[in-house]
Amino acid sequence: KQEVTQIPAALSVPEGENLVLNCSFTDSAIYNLQWFRQDPGKGLTSLLLIQSSQREQTSGRLNASLDKSSGRSTLYIAASQPGDSATYLCAVRPGKGDTDKLIFGTGTRLQVFP
Amino acid sequence: DGGITQSPKYLFRKEGQNVTLSCEQNLNHDAMYWYRQDPGQGLRLIYYSQIVNDFQKGDIAEGYSVSREKKESFPLTVTSAQKNPTAFYLCASSEQGASTEAFFGQGTRLTVV
Repeated sequence: KQEVTQIPAALSVPEGENLVLNCSFTDSAIYNLQWFRQDPGKGLTSLLLIQSSQREQTSGRLNASLDKSSGRSTLYIAASQPGDSATYLCAVRPGKGDTDKLIFGTGTRLQVFP
Repeated sequence: DGGITQSPKYLFRKEGQNVTLSCEQNLNHDAMYWYRQDPGQGLRLIYYSQIVNDFQKGDIAEGYSVSREKKESFPLTVTSAQKNPTAFYLCASSEQGASTEAFFGQGTRLTVV
């Protein structure tokens, strides 16, 4: 059974720092991995989608990498800003069995202070 | 603007009542999903539909029902059989196929009073 873990559960950093959020999954058979942002009381905003054949994806100050063989993905945020404060969720789409659903981690709650 | 609209934003249910959460999308996506989010837990799949007039149970379907009569609409009914319905409900959609990106609505917070 695929399980997704995100460490740390919470992170607090000063503005301007570069930071890395981690996501690990137990089964390397995945179609893709998606990173989301969730603001308090809001829905999920898709940040980056990495297909299983890709190593990384970039969007602005965000860079996500994928190492499928080791079951890991990282989300790198450059020059963090207070507006980056949110919960970041990763989710994998299994490559076998239940391929129709996303399996989510419990998220990393990020606070960037001025 | 293309997107997913969930309504209402907040919903209160009395014990023994059925309530229906609305989800509408104008992205022309074939697949639609309902997830439930509880504090400290990852999102869990309730129901999903890959095509009109067809849907499948997810991991926690007991106490819920859905319909998919139109491509753009996928309402979720929380029945009185759902013993612990207080949660944040999220609707999502994607194009068909396992490699596609999922998009989410803004959620409905359901509270039992």
